[in-house]
Amino acid sequence: SQQGEEDPQALSIQEGENATMNCSYKTSINNLQWYRQNSGRGLVHLILIRSNEREKHSGRLRVTLDTSKKSSSLLITASRAADTASYFCATAGKHSGGYQKVTFGTGTKLQVIP
Amino acid sequence: NAGVMQNPRHLVRRRGQEARLRCSPMKGHSHVYWYRQLPEEGLKFMVYLQKENIIDESGMPKERFSAEFPKEGPSILRIQQVVRGDSAAYFCASSLQGVTGTEAFFGQGTRLTVV
Repeated sequence: SQQGEEDPQALSIQEGENATMNCSYKTSINNLQWYRQNSGRGLVHLILIRSNEREKHSGRLRVTLDTSKKSSSLLITASRAADTASYFCATAGKHSGGYQKVTFGTGTKLQVIP
Repeated sequence: NAGVMQNPRHLVRRRGQEARLRCSPMKGHSHVYWYRQLPEEGLKFMVYLQKENIIDESGMPKERFSAEFPKEGPSILRIQQVVRGDSAAYFCASSLQGVTGTEAFFGQGTRLTVV
């Protein structure tokens, strides 16, 4: 089963508004990453937050992590039409074999209307 | 430093043929992951490899699919006797370390269409 579940599945907002996407996961993690995928394209890494961090910023992006609730949120402020894409969270947990396994959620489709 | 390179970008195969997908990781990266993405869906883990070793293939179908990452050259995902249901985008990612705290870099994917 998928480790990460994003919520909402789809989101449509006006340009300039803020967009918030949530991700919940089931097992303990070492880090959580957010990726963006434009339609029909590859994935672009946005931000990585480690399990001992609570909040991280990168430009217009703000990511929070609550390990007690096993959840993370991605906030995009002052959205632009170019932010229209699918956003995935990916969790990296230490497998019993000692390696990192990166598991993706189902994604949130964000549409920013100009 | 070139990113993760996948080729071909698009591949069309008839049912029953073989598909070979290649992935060259970023320079210095020895950990490779393969994912499959069906239309309108998220990425599903298939296999994790280090040089010359398959570490975790729990997401890969038992039949017709195989993966390798030789000492020299790219990682190869091989699908034998393709069926229509194999049509998907296949993404490869590489990372510097397999254990904790490193991001995975993705290639642009190979879009396989089985006709």
